[in-house]
Amino acid sequence: DGGITQSPKYLFRKEGQNVTLSCEQNLNHDAMYWYRQDPGQGLRLIYYSQIVNDFQKGDIAEGYSVSREKKESFPLTVTSAQKNPTAFYLCASSPIGDRGTYEQYFGPGTRLTVT
Amino acid sequence: DAKTTQPPSMDCAEGRAANLPCNHSTISGNEYVYWYRQIHSQGPQYIIHGLKNNETNEMASLIITEDRKSSTLILPHATLRDTAVYYCIAGGATNKLIFGTGTLLAVQP
Repeated sequence: DGGITQSPKYLFRKEGQNVTLSCEQNLNHDAMYWYRQDPGQGLRLIYYSQIVNDFQKGDIAEGYSVSREKKESFPLTVTSAQKNPTAFYLCASSPIGDRGTYEQYFGPGTRLTVT
Repeated sequence: DAKTTQPPSMDCAEGRAANLPCNHSTISGNEYVYWYRQIHSQGPQYIIHGLKNNETNEMASLIITEDRKSSTLILPHATLRDTAVYYCIAGGATNKLIFGTGTLLAVQP
């Protein structure tokens, strides 16, 4: 059963702690993305990666870090430097090719609450 | 990437066609129009995309005006399960999508 998995669905942390969100895909997609969504708002891009061992900052990368050691995995760490970490985090993936554009497939999301 | 403008909400009767408009007057020649939808507390779902020509798939039809400054997503026979926030996005080949606040479509029984 192909798709993108994110775990856990709900995550609670104390302020000042780093936390890592998992994202795995078995779609053989080259590109992976992390977005953040706040209540009533659209999605904002945090980081994206188009190839293993390489990634680029999105619009709101401050306070976050990522790694891409395997094609299938793109974990996101929310560090204590992120001032407002409570949000809904979404991971996505897409193929890359010579067609120029490809749709993104999203995981179910992780809702992070930091108190 | 071009900015898009959508109405914040729309209603549609179950079984009728839902027509969701989107303005993207600053779209550039190589930018595509994408539509995604998000059911409450789930990840967005890709619906359809196009460049110049009208497109149709099993979910919806996309009508793009000749000047490409606006488009309409058509759900031909809306069901209660189509209630969601619909995002219209204009983006290029970088695959960096900019999501606005979208249109909340409420399908009424």
